[in-house]
Amino acid sequence: GAVVSQHPSWVICKSGTSVKIECRSLDFQATTMFWYRQFPKQSLMLMATSNEGSKATYEQGVEKDKFLINHASLTLSTLTVTSAHPEDSSFYICSAFRQSMAYNEQFFGPGTRLTVL
Amino acid sequence: AQSVTQPDIHITVSEGASLELRCNYSYGATPYLFWYVQSPGQGLQLLLKYFSGDTLVQGIKGFEAEFKRSQSSFNLRKPSVHWSDAAEYFCAVGPMEYGNKLVFGAGTILRVKS
Repeated sequence: GAVVSQHPSWVICKSGTSVKIECRSLDFQATTMFWYRQFPKQSLMLMATSNEGSKATYEQGVEKDKFLINHASLTLSTLTVTSAHPEDSSFYICSAFRQSMAYNEQFFGPGTRLTVL
Repeated sequence: AQSVTQPDIHITVSEGASLELRCNYSYGATPYLFWYVQSPGQGLQLLLKYFSGDTLVQGIKGFEAEFKRSQSSFNLRKPSVHWSDAAEYFCAVGPMEYGNKLVFGAGTILRVKS
C-alpha cells in the first residue's frame, strides 16, 4: 500500500512551452502533497505544499506564476512548469501525506526528469 | 531554524564491512526523524523513522539508526554492506503534526567496492 505515482517519468520539451506533471496517490487519500525539486548531486528542495481544495503554499524564492500547482482531488496534484527554460531542467519529486491513527507519513513518487532544450 | 547536517558527502566501504552514516539535526521541538535512500534516477524510499520510544530503530534492508537526543544525532548503521546498498542516503527531520514539511540533509553517496 501507500503508492505514489508520477507521470510522466521523463519529459523533454522546447524552451517556452509548458509542461504538466501529475502526482497521484494510488491507494490512499492525501489532502496534502508536496512538490520538491532536486538538482544533480544535491538534496531535495521543497518548492510548495499542495492542499486539496485550496491554493498551494510556495516556499520563499519559488515563483508561483512559474510553477502552477493544482490539487483538484484527494488523489491528484499537478505541477505545471509554464514557459519552461533550460534552467528549469531538473528532477521533480512529489510526495503525498498519509494520515493514520499511528503516525503520519509522506510517501514519495518516483520523480519526473524534465529537460528543457 | 531547522537544519540537518550530513557531514560526509561521499563514503566508500568494502562489501561486507560495517557502515555508519552520520546525521545531526537542529530542531526546536521533538522531531520526527527519517532516513531515506535514493537510487540513481529514482524517488525516495523510506528506510526507517523515529517518532518516540526506543531510541534504536530497526528499518528495512538490515539498516538501523540510533537517536541520541544529547548529541542531536540520528546516525544510520548497517553491520554488513552489500553491493546493492550503493545509493544516496538522505536524513530528514520534521514536526510531528500532519502535513509537516520535511527538511532534508544534503545527502551521503555510498559507494561499495568489491
